Amino acid sequence: DQQVKQNSPSLSVQEGRISILNCDYTNSMFDYFLWYKKYPAEGPTFLISISSIKDKNEDGRFTVFLNKSAKHLSLHIVPSQPGDSAVYFCAAREYGNKLVFGAGTILRVKS
Amino acid sequence: DAGVTQSPTHLIKTRGQQVTLRCSPKSGHDTVSWYQQALGQGPQFIFQYYEEEERQRGNFPDRFSGHQFPNYSSELNVNALLLGDSALYLCASRETGGAYTGELFFGEGSRLTVL
Repeated sequence: DQQVKQNSPSLSVQEGRISILNCDYTNSMFDYFLWYKKYPAEGPTFLISISSIKDKNEDGRFTVFLNKSAKHLSLHIVPSQPGDSAVYFCAAREYGNKLVFGAGTILRVKS
Repeated sequence: DAGVTQSPTHLIKTRGQQVTLRCSPKSGHDTVSWYQQALGQGPQFIFQYYEEEERQRGNFPDRFSGHQFPNYSSELNVNALLLGDSALYLCASRETGGAYTGELFFGEGSRLTVL
């Protein structure tokens, strides 16, 4: 039972354009949603988060949008850079310290 | 400032064997979590340790056990290895106290292959 789903295994965008990564969830009890980025041979690194009581959070080139009624969140990267090429994981905080992760989306930014 | 360090980075075991993976948390962090990442999937929560006790556990069998030491470092032990235990095992740490929003610091992981 996948509570967090990333339906796009990969995404390819041109440098300078917008990258939009999507995530759907089923559990209404999640209180925080996060995006992590992972390069090969490295552990995931935290990128940005959003509380379930917000609908938008911005940090530089990265913006996360949350649509609670649709149980959907998205990560926008503007402008996309070649160094953004990585695997992006959507995650949600369940009770306590447990994070539930999606399967990830491979982003390729072409120069 | 050292981040989360894990050892070994790679190891190969055979079915039925036992394995121990080690983790040192980021300096100043006292809570350690372990995650299993199978190929093509996202990390799955195994358990979390704080003050040398298991505080929360995911949906993993008792073959998976852990320990936290007074210096906050941690071990993950897996007994009676199965082929399906082949995965990247990630250790993550955070500082307890204050508002926790889900941000964790991950190590590079230990890649376990079970033959």
